[in-house]
This record gives sequence, structure tokens and C-alpha cells, in this order.
Amino acid sequence: DVKVTQSSRYLVKRTGEKVFLECVQDMDHENMFWYRQDPGLGLRLIYFSYDVKMKEKGDIPEGYSVSREKKERFSLILESASTNQTSMYLCASSSLGAGRDEKLFFGSGTQLSVL
Amino acid sequence: QKEVEQNSGPLSVPEGAIASLNCTYSDRGSQSFFWYRQYSGKSPELIMSIYSNGDKEDGRFTAQLNKASQYVSLLIRDSQPSDSATYLCAVGLFPGSSNTGKLIFGQGTTLQVKP
Repeated sequence: DVKVTQSSRYLVKRTGEKVFLECVQDMDHENMFWYRQDPGLGLRLIYFSYDVKMKEKGDIPEGYSVSREKKERFSLILESASTNQTSMYLCASSSLGAGRDEKLFFGSGTQLSVL
Repeated sequence: QKEVEQNSGPLSVPEGAIASLNCTYSDRGSQSFFWYRQYSGKSPELIMSIYSNGDKEDGRFTAQLNKASQYVSLLIRDSQPSDSATYLCAVGLFPGSSNTGKLIFGQGTTLQVKP
């Protein structure tokens, strides 16, 4: 089974701190994604990456950056955490299928609270 | 206008009934369509994908796609209490000839199946 592992299930940080959220997948997937999920807003795409050292902005990249130095690892960085970044963060990965079957495999999520 | 829209619900149906979940999308270039199920406190999991106009059946689930009207729906026959969850509609966008697409999610519809 595909496994997508996020480093922390719960995280509490202070305003202004630099925060790193780590995600590792074990199925050699090309694509990796970071979403945040907020009540009533669904999943919103922050950044995604389709190859090592490649990144693309999603719909809400402001205040975030990403790093993909190795194929299996995709990191989300909050440069200076703010209270409006309190959210559930979900990492996902997928492979490029012949039918563009973008089935996403999700990690278990990190609930980040910024105080 | 949101790219992918769903009624947030909750949609309440009695056990054994048919649950009908709807989703509309704004980008006519969308090429792939997915339904994810998310239980409370868990990550989303893929239950259906559809790429062509018409119906696609898988067990008790039927996905319907109408590209002209830009809507996709999910029917759940013989609904069970275990189907109670949030159902997320996702639409795949692949700009130009790129394989590096992204999935855009709706806000989700909460389904409650009452015994």
C-alpha cells in the first residue's frame, strides 16, 4: 500500500515562528501536493510539485514556500506563522497514469495551531 | 465564482434510500472528475473517478458527468449509516498539453444516513 507520512499530527506554534511541515511518500510518485482544509472551504491547494526541485503555486501560496530536494520528500514552510494559518494541512502524492488518473493518496494530516 | 461548487449540506437520507450529491465546475477545460469520501477526523479517500460523459457504476455508487452543463454527480444506492461522511468533488485541470495537472476540490457535502 502507498504510504504518505506527515511528520506531526498536531503542532502548536507561536506567531512569527518559522514552521516546517514534512511529508514523505514511499511509492516513487512524481507529483506531490500540499493542501489546507478549513471548515466550509474544503481543500485548497497551496503548492504542488511534479518533479524534484520543481514547484508550482496553487490557489493560496501567499505566506508559504516549499522545498523538494528529493523525490520522496516535500516540505511546506511557513516563513512567519500567523494566526490565519491555523488549519489542517494535508499532503498528497500521485503518479502520472496513462489516463491522467490523478488519484491522490493523502497523509493523515497535520493540525497546526498558531497562537 | 468558485471553481468547484457543492452544497455543503448536511444532506440527510434514511437508510436504504438513494443519496444524490451534486457538483458544478467552472472551467470547461476540466478533463477528469473525482469523488472523495472523508470520514470525520480522517483523510480523504478516492471512491469514484469519471472522465467521459455519461454514467459510471461501481457497486452501490454511480458517478454521472455532463460536460455540456458542467456538472458531475454521485448517487449512492441503498445508503447505509456507514456512508455518513463528507463527500468531496474534485476536478482535474491540465493546462495545455502538460501532464502536470492539479486537482481542485469543492467544499464538500456532508451526508447523514439515518437508521
